[in-house]
Amino acid sequence: AQSVAQPEDQVNVAEGNPLTVKCTYSVSGNPYLFWYVQYPNRGLQFLLKYITGDNLVKGSYGFEAEFNKSQTSFHLKKPSALVSDSALYFCAVRDSYTGTASKLTFGTGTRLQVTL
Amino acid sequence: DGGITQSPKYLFRKEGQNVTLSCEQNLNHDAMYWYRQDPGQGLRLIYYSQIVNDFQKGDIAEGYSVSREKKESFPLTVTSAQKNPTAFYLCASSIGTGALGYTFGSGTRLTVV
Repeated sequence: AQSVAQPEDQVNVAEGNPLTVKCTYSVSGNPYLFWYVQYPNRGLQFLLKYITGDNLVKGSYGFEAEFNKSQTSFHLKKPSALVSDSALYFCAVRDSYTGTASKLTFGTGTRLQVTL
Repeated sequence: DGGITQSPKYLFRKEGQNVTLSCEQNLNHDAMYWYRQDPGQGLRLIYYSQIVNDFQKGDIAEGYSVSREKKESFPLTVTSAQKNPTAFYLCASSIGTGALGYTFGSGTRLTVV
């Protein structure tokens, strides 16, 4: 079975400081990893994904994530946080098997609060 | 613009009633999914469908039903058998089996009154 852990319910950071939202995963084969963001009463918006290739993935709104196979992690990062980045962030994983049985598994979400 | 439309945005249900949540996509995606979101629990899969006229139960299917008569549409019915239906419901779709990720609708908030 595949699973995702987001160990922090909330991350607080001051505007202008770097931010990290942590994600670790477990999957039987090679992972496909995703980050999504959710604003209040809205659906999830895609930020970035890792399928293969370079371990550092760049995505929307200045976010990036680093795939670390040995630590089974895919932490989300941004060099300089903005107040508008405040939202709920979800990490998701699936294995690389493309059959019908494989679906995305989501973490429980991390609330990012950026303050002035 | 292509996307997924969920309606209504807010829905109120009396106990004992069935209600149906609408999900329509014009992305020509093959697969569609229904998730339930509760605070602190992330997203839990209710049902999914890879092709028309076929669907599978997810992790929390009890008390829910779906149909997939058209590629574009995947309505979810919350039946009276669902003991705690108050939640935020999200519909998603994907190309193929979703290896490249999902596209989400804006959600329906269901409240039992």
